[in-house]
Amino acid sequence: AQKITQTQPGMFVQEKEAVTLDCTYDTSDPSYGLFWYKQPSSGEMIFLIYQGSYDQQNATEGRYSLNFQKARKSANLVISASQLGDSAMYFCAMIISGFQKLVFGTGTRLLVSP
Amino acid sequence: NAGVTQTPKFRVLKTGQSMTLLCAQDMNHEYMYWYRQDPGMGLRLIHYSVGEGTTAKGEVPDGYNVSRLKKQNFLLGLESAAPSQTSVYFCASSSATGNTIYFGEGSWLTVV
Repeated sequence: AQKITQTQPGMFVQEKEAVTLDCTYDTSDPSYGLFWYKQPSSGEMIFLIYQGSYDQQNATEGRYSLNFQKARKSANLVISASQLGDSAMYFCAMIISGFQKLVFGTGTRLLVSP
Repeated sequence: NAGVTQTPKFRVLKTGQSMTLLCAQDMNHEYMYWYRQDPGMGLRLIHYSVGEGTTAKGEVPDGYNVSRLKKQNFLLGLESAAPSQTSVYFCASSSATGNTIYFGEGSWLTVV
């Protein structure tokens, strides 16, 4: 069965520094997608970035990049130049193309300090 | 996330009462999902649908029923609410390619 693991319950970073949030996944399906979502204290789920299993290059969206290492089954999120507004919960998720089921990790809480 | 709308946003129920959460999407998405979020447990899939008239169980389906009579709507029902169903419920929808998934703003449900 597919599974997402986020081993960092909390992370601290200073403003303007880069931070990496870890995500490992487990699936036997050759076709899958990986997502990162941000959940601020207001509660909504905000899509950040997507990586398909067949994509050759790492996905990037502004200050967000996904470090995709397929052989290690890892999909770490890198946030460059952290801002105070980046303080939030971050969830890694995986979707399997066969039945389109999106499965989430337990999340990492990021705190950005001035 | 203007494309996915959940109603109601807040509700307090008494144990044993029933209610329905409505999710509506205007993006013509094939797939729709209901999740619950509890502290420290991420989002867990309750039920999902891959098309109009079809539904399937997710990780935690017990105590819930769903229906997808119209492509744009996905209803989540609690027939006899229990305190263990106190949670935040999220609806989501996605295209058939699965690389764009949008969430509603969440529905806060308390069962007393």
